[in-house]
Amino acid sequence: EDQVTQSPEALRLQEGESSSLNCSYTVSGLRGLFWYRQDPGKGPEFLFTLYSAGEEKEKERLKATLTKKESFLHITAPKPEDSATYLCAVQANAGNNRKLIWGLGTSLAVNP
Amino acid sequence: KAGVTQTPRYLIKTRGQQVTLSCSPISGHRSVSWYQQTPGQGLQFLFEYFSETQRNKGNFPGRFSGRQFSNSRSEMNVSTLELGDSALYLCASSFGLEETQYFGPGTRLLVL
Repeated sequence: EDQVTQSPEALRLQEGESSSLNCSYTVSGLRGLFWYRQDPGKGPEFLFTLYSAGEEKEKERLKATLTKKESFLHITAPKPEDSATYLCAVQANAGNNRKLIWGLGTSLAVNP
Repeated sequence: KAGVTQTPRYLIKTRGQQVTLSCSPISGHRSVSWYQQTPGQGLQFLFEYFSETQRNKGNFPGRFSGRQFSNSRSEMNVSTLELGDSALYLCASSFGLEETQYFGPGTRLLVL
């Protein structure tokens, strides 16, 4: 069964304390992996799309990596404004239709 | 380029009523997906439309329905509202069925 698991569920960091969020997946045929950031009461904001193992993408303090079984979202020297829920979604092979499996997210709090 | 817009942003209804939510996708996007988000449940997929055709449907009762117009704008309707329908309803658009989805700000529905 296709499945996406994010860990940890919640993470609290001090400002400047780097860490990583994990998204592990089991899908039949990976077509893409997506990272989003969501602030409370708002729609998810797109961060990255990764398509193949070994691929990496960076944006400011964030860096996403992908292997055949998982993806990491590395946060370097986080600031309080990085506090949000980070969502991972995996697109599986589904013929001509979209099959997107969502994780439950990691809630990140960065203390000043 | 303008982002995804959703109207209304907030809505209060009573049990048994029906509601219609609207979504305008990013210009040029032909796919619109709808999600329900409640605390602890993550993003629950409702349905996806592409070129006015429903391409995929989640596991929701028939009270939830949607449609897409020729200009790609989409509406979703919930009939006979229940207390459990209180949630943030999110619309996401993409160029195609395998492209990255971009989310709107959501409609917060409260059913009393």
